[in-house]
Amino acid sequence: NAGVMQNPRHLVRRRGQEARLRCSPMKGHSHVYWYRQLPEEGLKFMVYLQKENIIDESGMPKERFSAEFPKEGPSILRIQQVVRGDSAAYFCASSPFQLAGGLLSSYNEQFFGPGTRLTVL
Amino acid sequence: AQKVTQAQTEISVVEKEDVTLDCVYETRDTTYYLFWYKQPPSGELVFLIRRNSFDEQNEISGRYSWNFQKSTSSFNFTITASQVVDSAVYFCALTPLPYSGGGADGLTFGKGTHLIIQP
Repeated sequence: NAGVMQNPRHLVRRRGQEARLRCSPMKGHSHVYWYRQLPEEGLKFMVYLQKENIIDESGMPKERFSAEFPKEGPSILRIQQVVRGDSAAYFCASSPFQLAGGLLSSYNEQFFGPGTRLTVL
Repeated sequence: AQKVTQAQTEISVVEKEDVTLDCVYETRDTTYYLFWYKQPPSGELVFLIRRNSFDEQNEISGRYSWNFQKSTSSFNFTITASQVVDSAVYFCALTPLPYSGGGADGLTFGKGTHLIIQP
């Protein structure tokens, strides 16, 4: 039972190029979260997606960043026209379908991938 | 709005000493979960514990123990008889219970405490 997979593990881009980060959730998981970890910082929530639907993008920068989770295939975090400040580790987490109701049972664990380290030259 | 504060940026101790990592949180939600994660030098995130806001019992797992005190909004983590392999960055995190109307389901992380265990 493979865990959450992210690729590439390391990505180097020059300023102005596009970066595409991929996340394959665990089998059976239909929810994906993206987090960004800047150097010497904790992880910051970016976006939460279900298949074909963005649930919460309150943590996404307003420009250049977009995310999708298509019906088939991995979730993609796309950064257009990268700048040096985008250099960070990007983590993806997945969780299974969230059930409504049942106060103490309604939490679904987030399983983290190994991260993609983006370096912008 | 939620906030997690890990006031200790870096702690350095000698092997076999006990060490406590502090975590203080702020939330308006009445139901929530608290977490600790370990990030070793290799960079991945290792889940250590999850605790819900209803359960204030302390927990012990081997050399690790956690002290949750709702009255002071703290969730501290103690490593007993530390070992060099414990060297890592440790993150405390918080999330509201889903469907509680608490906002984003993403985890709110503290900035982490870099723990250095010297041989």
